[in-house]
Amino acid sequence: DAGVTQSPTHLIKTRGQHVTLRCSPISGHKSVSWYQQVLGQGPQFIFQYYEKEERGRGNFPDRFSARQFPNYSSELNVNALLLGDSALYLCASSLEGMNTEAFFGQGTRLTVV
Amino acid sequence: EDQVTQSPEALRLQEGESSSLNCSYTVSGLRGLFWYRQDPGKGPEFLFTLYSAGEEKEKERLKATLTKKESFLHITAPKPEDSATYLCAVQAHVSWGKLQFGAGTQVVVTP
Repeated sequence: DAGVTQSPTHLIKTRGQHVTLRCSPISGHKSVSWYQQVLGQGPQFIFQYYEKEERGRGNFPDRFSARQFPNYSSELNVNALLLGDSALYLCASSLEGMNTEAFFGQGTRLTVV
Repeated sequence: EDQVTQSPEALRLQEGESSSLNCSYTVSGLRGLFWYRQDPGKGPEFLFTLYSAGEEKEKERLKATLTKKESFLHITAPKPEDSATYLCAVQAHVSWGKLQFGAGTQVVVTP
């Protein structure tokens, strides 16, 4: 069975640019969450979507946005990139979003120069 | 605000030397506590979920326990392949599916 897949695996962008990260959840899972992990820290919650509706939002600026598609895949968009946005972006999928385990993808390493 | 503190930050063990990692938490109504393993440059790998104080779960050389204020991950007779960062996260009743993570404990097991 395919796990959570994220694309791309690595990305280099320039300050001020826009980036779109993609995530395909495990087959049958209806919830997708996004996390940002800076080196040496634990993942920080950005968004959660369940059945295409936003169910939670972390303490991130409005430059960060996301959506979930009818096939339950998801996109994370970041506008006006800052150097501080450089991080590993993780997508997690779960069956229902709560009371169920979350399984993570391998992440997208974003470097902003 | 929910908080998760993991200790120690780093742990160096000889192969076969058992030890424990600590995860202290404060949360408004715990729904579940999760342990993950993370290898460098990769996403976290799910290990355990604990839901209530007194609960214990085991997987190979790992055993997780939960009290009302903390959780322990015991590593028994570790092998070099157990080297990784171990992350603890809590999920609160009020925050739907959000996971609040600690900073992790980096474990190195030497032969």
